[in-house]
Amino acid sequence: GAGVSQSPSNKVTEKGKDVELRCDPISGHTALYWYRQSLGQGLEFLIYFQGNSAPDKSGLPSDRFSAERTGGSVSTLTIQRTQQEDSAVYLCASSSAVEQFFGPGTRLTVL
Amino acid sequence: AQTVTQSQPEMSVQEAETVTLSCTYDTSENNYYLFWYKQPPSRQMILVIRQEAYKQQNATENRFSVNFQKAAKSFSLKISDSQLGDTAMYFCAFIGAGSYQLTFGKGTKLSVIP
Repeated sequence: GAGVSQSPSNKVTEKGKDVELRCDPISGHTALYWYRQSLGQGLEFLIYFQGNSAPDKSGLPSDRFSAERTGGSVSTLTIQRTQQEDSAVYLCASSSAVEQFFGPGTRLTVL
Repeated sequence: AQTVTQSQPEMSVQEAETVTLSCTYDTSENNYYLFWYKQPPSRQMILVIRQEAYKQQNATENRFSVNFQKAAKSFSLKISDSQLGDTAMYFCAFIGAGSYQLTFGKGTKLSVIP
């Protein structure tokens, strides 16, 4: 596809379970970002990947959050031992320059 | 650290009318970019318009234009001839030149009324 894709579109999980969210960036984009959007809030930066460089993880809210980017393409955001406050929309974006192009997001609901 | 403030949580406009969404920002940088993103109920963030700080001319994209006041650190979005499809959340965002981290405002929910 031409755009950023994310899966699943929606995820409902129970408190304490682990979840994995996937992002497929636009082909050729070297930069990939994860953001979190809580209800009624703007976007909160989580993590940034650029090529083969070490990622900027400064936005991850706790050590329960981690992310990987394999082969400079697909990325997975993992949340361990989910909590109710993790409920949000998780957005992925990619870029080759200044402009960031966003995926449709994954809505995570933790019961 | 940069901050972006959108002071209008919600706005409404009649179809075919004009509406202006406000955004102010705070930065010590001289070179940067400003963006307006649209997020309809589908959740997809769509870039509406961008402005480079070094450009004095205000950016325009069809019915969308900005009023960029660098000294006042203001970046408002004007939507002309509003259409029902313009109903969405609108986010103002800032990024420093050479940086990669977008800073977003909290958004303005715009409703276009038929």
